[in-house]
Amino acid sequence: GEDVEQSLFLSVREGDSSVINCTYTDSSSTYLYWYKQEPGAGLQLLTYIFSNMDMKQDQRLTVLLNKKDKHLSLRIADTQTGDSAIYFCAESANDYKLSFGAGTTVTVRA
Amino acid sequence: DVKVTQSSRYLVKRTGEKVFLECVQDMDHENMFWYRQDPGLGLRLIYFSYDVKMKEKGDIPEGYSVSREKKERFSLILESASTNQTSMYLCASKRGGGTEAFFGQGTRLTVV
Repeated sequence: GEDVEQSLFLSVREGDSSVINCTYTDSSSTYLYWYKQEPGAGLQLLTYIFSNMDMKQDQRLTVLLNKKDKHLSLRIADTQTGDSAIYFCAESANDYKLSFGAGTTVTVRA
Repeated sequence: DVKVTQSSRYLVKRTGEKVFLECVQDMDHENMFWYRQDPGLGLRLIYFSYDVKMKEKGDIPEGYSVSREKKERFSLILESASTNQTSMYLCASKRGGGTEAFFGQGTRLTVV
């Protein structure tokens, strides 16, 4: 079955870059996602990447995909206090199932 | 904007009670999902539905059932609530063939 792993905590200084890493096991994954969850809220899609892409950039966000190693990363440039949240990596191989990692809690310190 | 609405933000129920968690989406999405979220475990899929009256078990269906009588509404049922079902429950919906799943705000259920 699918398995998605990510580290649980990341602390970063305001203005620095954050890098959140994720590994997955399902080689048939079609889409890979990063979701953000702010305190007391549901999940919000930040960005996603097709499995045939290596990189996707969207303003301060850069997603890198190494399909050979099944490794996905999210880089947040110029991290701000509003970026403090839980970030979930997820993968999908079909229309019906998203498999999530445990979530990385990012804390931005002044 | 797509809206996924869960009927309650917080619920407190007693052990053995029958509990209904309701979810409504307003974008005519075919697929709807129920997850539970626990610290260190991420989101785990309980059940999903790809059409009215259709349902499939996810990874942790034990102790739960679901109902989808109308396309916009997907209900999660705890037949006899137990303390190990204390958790955050998240509903999501997704268009068939679409890429993005939209989530509700979550229901924090405490079973005492």
